[in-house]
Amino acid sequence: AQSVAQPEDQVNVAEGNPLTVKCTYSVSGNPYLFWYVQYPNRGLQFLLKYITGDNLVKGSYGFEAEFNKSQTSFHLKKPSALVSDSALYFCAVRDTTGGSYIPTFGRGTSLIVHP
Amino acid sequence: DTAVSQTPKYLVTQMGNDKSIKCEQNLGHDTMYWYKQDSKKFLKIMFSYNNKELIINETVPNRFSPKSPDKAHLNLHINSLELGDSAVYFCASSQVNTGELFFGEGSRLTVL
Repeated sequence: AQSVAQPEDQVNVAEGNPLTVKCTYSVSGNPYLFWYVQYPNRGLQFLLKYITGDNLVKGSYGFEAEFNKSQTSFHLKKPSALVSDSALYFCAVRDTTGGSYIPTFGRGTSLIVHP
Repeated sequence: DTAVSQTPKYLVTQMGNDKSIKCEQNLGHDTMYWYKQDSKKFLKIMFSYNNKELIINETVPNRFSPKSPDKAHLNLHINSLELGDSAVYFCASSQVNTGELFFGEGSRLTVL
């Protein structure tokens, strides 16, 4: 079985400060990991993914995420937050070892960047 | 040129009615999905279809049925609508071997 947890319902950060949105996962085998962003009244947009290789993955809009196998984490980061980054962020996982190809999504974390 | 498009964007209807939501993708993907997003923004997979196989989330009532006329389309039909069906429904597509999903803009269903 695969599962993903986003322990924070909301993250608040001041503009210009670094931000982190946390994600931990559980899979039987090796994971594919994803981050998506959802702006109000819009569909989810793909930000970045980890499949294999370098643990630090860079994505859209200056976001990056670090895969940590020992901690089963895939936290989303950005060095300097913008007010326009305020949105709902979803982490998702897919177990590549047997099972379903359908990703499981976390419950989402609302990021609020204050001017 | 929209990658994943779904229509209508808004649906308001009475309990007991039947409705359909259409979805089309022009990305050439081999897999399509329907997700339901509830008022708390939680995303729940309803169906997945990848040419050969339809996967149904067993918790989805059989009033919901997907229909795929071809690999670029996966429509959602809902019979006997109930108040609890009110939600935003998202269509998505992907190449099953790369994994990332591309979502439509959503269809907001309100059942009165």
